[in-house]
Amino acid sequence: ETGVTQTPRHLVMGMTNKKSLKCEQHLGHNAMYWYKQSAKKPLELMFVYSLEERVENNSVPSRFSPECPNSSHLFLHLHTLQPEDSALYLCASSQAWGAGHEQYFGPGTRLTVT
Amino acid sequence: AQSVSQHNHHVILSEAASLELGCNYSYGGTVNLFWYVQYPGQHLQLLLKYFSGDPLVKGIKGFEAEFIKSKFSFNLRKPSVQWSDTAEYFCAALDQTGANNLFFGTGTRLTVIP
Repeated sequence: ETGVTQTPRHLVMGMTNKKSLKCEQHLGHNAMYWYKQSAKKPLELMFVYSLEERVENNSVPSRFSPECPNSSHLFLHLHTLQPEDSALYLCASSQAWGAGHEQYFGPGTRLTVT
Repeated sequence: AQSVSQHNHHVILSEAASLELGCNYSYGGTVNLFWYVQYPGQHLQLLLKYFSGDPLVKGIKGFEAEFIKSKFSFNLRKPSVQWSDTAEYFCAALDQTGANNLFFGTGTRLTVIP
């Protein structure tokens, strides 16, 4: 089993749909992250959870709603998305939040909003 | 604002050529620095990291990077590239004195011609 898994790998949804992205880490880490990767732009940090509490919310629109039910799982609930939300959504985890800890990334979910 | 700059957007080299990819960050305080690689169709993987100590760090697959504090730089080098090094390379920095989060550059695409 790889360290950080994400499902689904690909998702196509209409603007009125509701869907969820799932991330699971098998590394025993205490911090988990959601990033958005768009072409020709730096990875954008969306949310950070440390010990299951949200510690960062980077001005992300409310149509993205994260959930961290335990230290191994992280969800990103999506509703009424816009076409510009089409991107690769990456999940990552680290031993702890902050300095001195590298992040391990999952393969991402390629999201297309039609 | 905190930022990471990668000035080379696409680099094309022949096998056995030497590689240097530039990375500059904007923070004035203590930083953690990283290089990640994304091979085609694969997830982001850590190549190397700098937290403290020797400013010349060695990573996997023959890569190394040098932290030069006076130049706010962390350039990635490899003396002789191989076709299998074809990938996208991302520099990232974490400012220990500011937001406890990782900021990425826009990435550099490396194409190695056999």
